[in-house]
Amino acid sequence: DAGITQSPRHKVTETGTPVTLRCHQTENHRYMYWYRQDPGHGLRLIHYSYGVKDTDKGEVSDGYSVSRSKTEDFLLTLESATSSQTSVYFCAISGTAQETQYFGPGTRLLVL
Amino acid sequence: QKEVEQDPGPLSVPEGAIVSLNCTYSNSAFQYFMWYRQYSRKGPELLMYTYSSGNKEDGRFTAQVDKSSKYISLFIRDSQPSDSATYLCAMSEGNTGFQKLVFGTGTRLLVSP
Repeated sequence: DAGITQSPRHKVTETGTPVTLRCHQTENHRYMYWYRQDPGHGLRLIHYSYGVKDTDKGEVSDGYSVSRSKTEDFLLTLESATSSQTSVYFCAISGTAQETQYFGPGTRLLVL
Repeated sequence: QKEVEQDPGPLSVPEGAIVSLNCTYSNSAFQYFMWYRQYSRKGPELLMYTYSSGNKEDGRFTAQVDKSSKYISLFIRDSQPSDSATYLCAMSEGNTGFQKLVFGTGTRLLVSP
């Protein structure tokens, strides 16, 4: 998985609780991305980062925030989890904007 | 209508068969085309990456892009049970500040021994 780890790998939480997912890379890549994967929708971009403290929204960013204080870590936070955020979350990295993206192993999140 | 359409399958073939996986798209600005393979409960892994039209071959895998028809294909020769996975196509315009990938929903392939 291209030097990418995600934690936790599985999480069950209750509606209304905050949740933080972590993506850690050892490739020193500049770009990092958070996607969610749902049946019938494929992979959809939530947020991305193009450098430390530089982030921007993707296609499905409502209800999510991100932070990147170090090159190697990109955090995704669900401020108040809802059942519609039950999904599999993937982190991806790329060295430049034009390079393709390499994906982590994923985090399965269940919001009850 | 989705920007990228992909038949979800499953596509079932016997070992040794030639497999053809396809995606159609509507955005004529797409220039970069990728195929990812995703095993169950794993992250997508990059298989093929092509720019613009034409063919690209890598071992048993061949990627084809026909921009005039807005159609891309992945061919797998001499398919193996280990090829059983979901195959995702992805594409981008490539002219934005970052590579905004648009994914198909994936085709599930089952190769039986």
